[in-house]
Amino acid sequence: GAGVSQTPSNKVTEKGKYVELRCDPISGHTALYWYRQSLGQGPEFLIYFQGTGAADDSGLPNDRFFAVRPEGSVSTLKIQRTERGDSAVYLCASSSNPGLAGVEQFFGPGTRLTVL
Amino acid sequence: QKEVEQDPGPLSVPEGAIVSLNCTYSNSAFQYFMWYRQYSRKGPELLMYTYSSGNKEDGRFTAQVDKSSKYISLFIRDSQPSDSATYLCAMSETSGSRLTFGEGTQLTVNP
Repeated sequence: GAGVSQTPSNKVTEKGKYVELRCDPISGHTALYWYRQSLGQGPEFLIYFQGTGAADDSGLPNDRFFAVRPEGSVSTLKIQRTERGDSAVYLCASSSNPGLAGVEQFFGPGTRLTVL
Repeated sequence: QKEVEQDPGPLSVPEGAIVSLNCTYSNSAFQYFMWYRQYSRKGPELLMYTYSSGNKEDGRFTAQVDKSSKYISLFIRDSQPSDSATYLCAMSETSGSRLTFGEGTQLTVNP
């Protein structure tokens, strides 16, 4: 497809487990963003990649959260020792040329993570 | 206090009404202002994008930014049931940098 895709669409895990969430950006988009959206709230920034490197990881809440983008395309968000408070929808977005004014961030449908 | 404040609603209007949605913010470094629409269980989609202060119109939608008051608005004219969704304001300091979102306003347009 032409849009941002995220897998899985839903993930249920138990407290303390490790999870990986995957994002496939739009082909050719150099910038990739992760956000987290709790119920009834707006998305909250986690991390931004320009190419393979993290340009801004100031939104990661603690060292249990880690993200990679080894080839500058697909990205994986990794959460260790999950807690019930990590339950949320994890959104990925990509953009083509973030330095240009007016360039849009295109969002995927999100992965709904539930930690029991 | 949150950087971006948005009344969560819910807001319910009859079809054909004019809808006004608003956000205030505290960070004077914000220069880029956006409105996203989010349907249930979907990702946000961009509606309007404005740089600095001023107005921008696109069909039934008008976005206004007043940087001196740190206040942005979205107006929807001739609202339709298909406009029923959550509307999120978002802002950034530089083009392409992290977006800071409001809480979202849930809008229902009744036929």
